[in-house]
Amino acid sequence: EAQVTQNPRYLITVTGKKLTVTCSQNMNHEYMSWYRQDPGLGLRQIYYSMNVEVTDKGDVPEGYKVSRKEKRNFPLILESPSPNQTSLYFCASSFGTSGVEQYFGPGTRLTVT
Amino acid sequence: TQLLEQSPQFLSIQEGENLTVYCNSSSVFSSLQWYRQEPGEGPVLLVTVVTGGEVKKLKRLTFQFGDARKDSSLHITAAQPGDTGLYLCAGVGRGSTLGRLYFGRGTQLTVWP
Repeated sequence: EAQVTQNPRYLITVTGKKLTVTCSQNMNHEYMSWYRQDPGLGLRQIYYSMNVEVTDKGDVPEGYKVSRKEKRNFPLILESPSPNQTSLYFCASSFGTSGVEQYFGPGTRLTVT
Repeated sequence: TQLLEQSPQFLSIQEGENLTVYCNSSSVFSSLQWYRQEPGEGPVLLVTVVTGGEVKKLKRLTFQFGDARKDSSLHITAAQPGDTGLYLCAGVGRGSTLGRLYFGRGTQLTVWP
């Protein structure tokens, strides 16, 4: 089944403890992206990647890192999480490099205390 | 600042009524997409409109892209309870912003039987 998977789905952590949220797609898509969704603010793009080894900043990249070492995986790294990074995170991928017609993962709900 | 303004934010109607959701911007996009999101899930793509003035129909849903490629509308005819959900518009960047996806804050639609 064609899909985007994220792990973990739920995570509660403490301020400053490094964490990684994994994202994997099995559709051989060129483009991958991370978003956070917050009440009243909607979905905001964190980082995106148009190809392997190519990553670019979105609207809210501060406090996050990403890497794209292989086509199928695009992990999101929080080196020192803070409470303002408590949010619902979505990974997405699309066939073309422009980001049109994205397939979204199921989401990761992160709470930083 | 929000690049895409979506209205209304909330819509609560009876089954059988018609409705229109608007998505407006001062920026030009290479294409505009509409997604629908259910609670606890990632957004799912409904349609992509690319050409200024383009109209696409998906059963009872009609999507229109403005002539100047800055705005779009979603019209639902004879709404049903199954249409309930969060509707999101998203503009795809062009030129130096290719790969960027800009979301509106969404319209929460509730259709009562």
